[in-house]
Amino acid sequence: AQKVTQAQTEISVVEKEDVTLDCVYETRDTTYYLFWYKQPPSGELVFLIRRNSFDEQNEISGRYSWNFQKSTSSFNFTITASQVVDSAVYFCALRHTNAGKSTFGDGTTLTVKP
Amino acid sequence: DSGVTQTPKHLITATGQRVTLRCSPRSGDLSVYWYQQSLDQGLQFLIQYYNGEERAKGNILERFSAQQFPDLHSELNLSSLELGDSALYFCASSATTSGDTDTQYFGPGTRLTVL
Repeated sequence: AQKVTQAQTEISVVEKEDVTLDCVYETRDTTYYLFWYKQPPSGELVFLIRRNSFDEQNEISGRYSWNFQKSTSSFNFTITASQVVDSAVYFCALRHTNAGKSTFGDGTTLTVKP
Repeated sequence: DSGVTQTPKHLITATGQRVTLRCSPRSGDLSVYWYQQSLDQGLQFLIQYYNGEERAKGNILERFSAQQFPDLHSELNLSSLELGDSALYFCASSATTSGDTDTQYFGPGTRLTVL
């Protein structure tokens, strides 16, 4: 069975602070994909990144960076110099390469205060 | 904008009624997925269709059914509605069903309220 754990239910930071959202997953599959999605207050789910299980390179996209460590089954997401517009619920998800569904964590609500 | 469209955006109905949610995938995507997001259950996978055929089933109730039409749009039918069915229903699409092209892009969702 697959499981995704986002232990941080809510995080509150002040603008310009760096913040890391944790994601730990469980799977017996050797090949899989990991995702991060953002859900702003408007409700839509916005795709942020996909990482293949065989690619442990960290990735940076502007103020966003992701740290994938297969040894600890973690796929953490860091926002550098946070902004008010980053306030949202962030979901980590896991998907087997040939499976239909994605398994989502419960989400982390990030509030960035001015 | 993900390119996935869902209608209606909001739906308010009464218990016992039946509703249909509609989804149009991104241009070229063959796979359509339905998810339910509720406060107590989180984001739950319901069902997947690939090129018109059911491919995977999740925690979908027997009162719920879905189909994908030849033009690839999909409909989720919810019947004998209960208060607990109130949720945000998402449709997602992907190019195929596995491999590097299986990133799921989500629509804006349909918020269903059952009174």
